[in-house]
Amino acid sequence: DSGVTQTPKHLITATGQRVTLRCSPRSGDLSVYWYQQSLDQGLQFLIQYYNGEERAKGNILERFSAQQFPDLHSELNLSSLELGDSALYFCASSAGLANYEQYFGPGTRLTVT
Amino acid sequence: GQQVMQIPQYQHVQEGEDFTTYCNSSTTLSNIQWYKQRPGGHPVFLIQLVKSGEVKKQKRLTFQFGEAKKNSSLHITATQTTDVGTYFCAGPSGAGSYQLTFGKGTKLSVIP
Repeated sequence: DSGVTQTPKHLITATGQRVTLRCSPRSGDLSVYWYQQSLDQGLQFLIQYYNGEERAKGNILERFSAQQFPDLHSELNLSSLELGDSALYFCASSAGLANYEQYFGPGTRLTVT
Repeated sequence: GQQVMQIPQYQHVQEGEDFTTYCNSSTTLSNIQWYKQRPGGHPVFLIQLVKSGEVKKQKRLTFQFGEAKKNSSLHITATQTTDVGTYFCAGPSGAGSYQLTFGKGTKLSVIP
């Protein structure tokens, strides 16, 4: 158990819909990262928050957005969903801003039908 | 942008055989991290290497960071079925970058 929690575990929704994925980092960790992992693909970095502020952005689509709240939990919002958005979405947390090991949550499996 | 390549993509070994996966970066890395993802699981941090030429061991696993800090390897001696999974290397996406670029991983299968 990494100490990072993600909800929900599974999500099935239709194209065009909007969903919110939730992540609670390990106690004391200030950085939260979001990754997308498609079938047989590596981990694609989406976005990083540190202590409530966005600090790095990867290949995140404009239809996707995220935020980190004062209690440090984070939400990833995916809108106008397409079939290609079906993937595993992982949240990870780390103690600091950079060059720290990341602890991954169990992931949310999103299926868009 | 920075690229991290891993080879091989897949490796099937007989239990007891050794296994090595290689990671190459297009740029010099300040550090490299290795993660393991079991089937159906999430990536788990294994180790971080920082120094040029660094070698670290964890039981049957040996991690190396190249002298030029552009490549790394993970070697498993006498594989066991518990070693099954995908091994990822990851490095900072650029100088001073806050994000990691992950390789596509090497998927290890161990035949009992």
